[in-house]
Amino acid sequence: GAGVSQTPSNKVTEKGKYVELRCDPISGHTALYWYRQSLGQGPEFLIYFQGTGAADDSGLPNDRFFAVRPEGSVSTLKIQRTERGDSAVYLCASSLNPGTEYGYTFGSGTRLTVV
Amino acid sequence: LAKTTQPISMDSYEGQEVNITCSHNNIATNDYITWYQQFPSQGPRFIIQGYKTKVTNEVASLFIPADRKSSTLSLPRVSLSDTAVYYCLLYGSGNTGKLIFGQGTTLQVKP
Repeated sequence: GAGVSQTPSNKVTEKGKYVELRCDPISGHTALYWYRQSLGQGPEFLIYFQGTGAADDSGLPNDRFFAVRPEGSVSTLKIQRTERGDSAVYLCASSLNPGTEYGYTFGSGTRLTVV
Repeated sequence: LAKTTQPISMDSYEGQEVNITCSHNNIATNDYITWYQQFPSQGPRFIIQGYKTKVTNEVASLFIPADRKSSTLSLPRVSLSDTAVYYCLLYGSGNTGKLIFGQGTTLQVKP
């Protein structure tokens, strides 16, 4: 597609439930990133995929968070046993060449609310 | 931990030039200075990047002094639609592309 697509745009879930957030990157972009943004803060890095593999998952806050990209295109961020503190906007970005600044395109994010 | 420092907020009026200064005292030799813009309910969008001196594109100019310990994003003749959060980041060439965002500067343009 023309841009990075994230679904759903909004998700409300109950504390303790499992959620999946989807990112559909720009076609051909091999690099994919997940960020989390809390209100009033800048985006915080979670994980980076190069192709199918997670090249850097140092930003995942704990083992409740997991992400996959099985075919090197669409990625799913999975959060188990959600907590109210997980409420945030989850942003996805993709890049053709991480070595240059021009390659980053962000999606509009998924706003997750845990009640 | 963000390696840059910038004002939390700024106000301006339509038609004025806005300059947002960012401090990065510990910038590394291979770091580029990159600025992103973020509107409400959208992801960040690349504005401009530079290494030294001055860079200009259709959106903004970026001024970087010789010591590279600071940089200034200049937005000419702002309009209401320039109201957004502006992030200053350091980007090292050859890294994995992990962008480290700070809190950014919230620019409010008034009529």
